[in-house]
Amino acid sequence: GQNIDQPTEMTATEGAIVQINCTYQTSGFNGLFWYQQHAGEAPTFLSYNVLDGLEEKGRFSSFLSRSKGYSYLLLKELQMKDSASYLCAVIDSNYQLIWGAGTKLIIKP
Amino acid sequence: IAGITQAPTSQILAAGRRMTLRCTQDMRHNAMYWYRQDLGLGLRLIHYSNTAGTTGKGEVPDGYSVSRANTDDFPLTLASAVPSQTSVYFCASSGTGGTGELFFGEGSRLTVL
Repeated sequence: GQNIDQPTEMTATEGAIVQINCTYQTSGFNGLFWYQQHAGEAPTFLSYNVLDGLEEKGRFSSFLSRSKGYSYLLLKELQMKDSASYLCAVIDSNYQLIWGAGTKLIIKP
Repeated sequence: IAGITQAPTSQILAAGRRMTLRCTQDMRHNAMYWYRQDLGLGLRLIHYSNTAGTTGKGEVPDGYSVSRANTDDFPLTLASAVPSQTSVYFCASSGTGGTGELFFGEGSRLTVL
């Protein structure tokens, strides 16, 4: 079966750095997304990786290793507004999107 | 710019009733999707449409039906609601199909009693 694993919940301090990991076992790979979802709201796009390496976008960076079936989302200079769930999703060989259950990130002052 | 609009935003209905969740997009995206989101689970695909006039079944299609008469509208119908269909439903669209960024509506919270 296909599986996406993410930690259920993480806690970090305002101003710090946090890394949210995602490991996947899917039938093929055609890209990986990270989405942010604030409580009671819709998911919004953060990043897309299809090649190995690090993609940086402001305070957020996303890393991919296809050989290891692994990605992480790195959030720097954490702000209270970063409190949200972070969803990892992989495009499989049939171009279907497989979603992880999400990581709830709690930011403390 | 509206993006994707869902209606209703919230609804309580009795088991056995028929319900249609509406979804309209103004981005002229070809691909549209219906997901349900339940606590502790990832988003699960119910039905999708790659272009107007075509639809397909996702991971959890039973008890749901969709239609795609035109590019903009993609309604989801529960023919006879059951309590296990209590969930938050998200409609999404993508301009480039399988590899494209998804744009989500604000969600419809449905409670079936």
